[in-house]
Amino acid sequence: QSVLTQPPSVSGAPGQRVTISCTGSSSNIGAGYDVHWYQQFPGRAPKLLIYAYNNRPSGVPDRFSASKSGTSASLAITGLQAEDEADYYCQSYDTSLSGSRVFGGGTKLTVL
Amino acid sequence: EVQLVESGGDLVQPGRSLRLSCVVSGFTFDDYAMHWVRQAPGKGLEWVSGISWNSGKLVYVDSVQGRFTISRDNAKNSVYLQMNSLRAEDTAVYYCVKDYYGSASGGGYFDYWGQGTLVTVSS
Repeated sequence: QSVLTQPPSVSGAPGQRVTISCTGSSSNIGAGYDVHWYQQFPGRAPKLLIYAYNNRPSGVPDRFSASKSGTSASLAITGLQAEDEADYYCQSYDTSLSGSRVFGGGTKLTVL
Repeated sequence: EVQLVESGGDLVQPGRSLRLSCVVSGFTFDDYAMHWVRQAPGKGLEWVSGISWNSGKLVYVDSVQGRFTISRDNAKNSVYLQMNSLRAEDTAVYYCVKDYYGSASGGGYFDYWGQGTLVTVSS
């Protein structure tokens, strides 16, 4: 059971917009800690996708954006492309654990 | 170019020990915290342990506290994970990960990842 809750899967057709939610609590997202997002392709290492609320590393297209409200955050992908099919993870910090960075359980995005 | 290269993964029996190593290049190693993150087969990511830039702060997930020890050698641009009393549930790919900040705790994030090394704990 992950501290941050994500839907196991989402799907969308090419060109559509999809969102992936990340639900936390008052000891992590609700405490004001940033939420970061990672993208992972099968058999590959994760890659930083969005950091510190809604900043993209160089090379990440602006089709990817993030938001946060209260104890939840979300990742939005617009203009969905086949190459976006991957696993997505949110990450934050939790004050109730022993100095822990925490991840969501991950969401598998399928492009129909 | 930032590179993180893990080594040391192996098949080991329950109760035995293993030491993972990670050599990095492409950035000023002793400015940044480093972490280990693992991923069990077919499962999600789990943060395991972190170490601050000067080894002053070591942090662990509860499930490995007392069994795993993280360390670093800034002269060798290397970070290590000593894993003792291994259990079947420790089976995973272990990733060496760079922190954006020097502190191992707090609301930081992981900006560079190695390719991972597989640890299998089985009799």
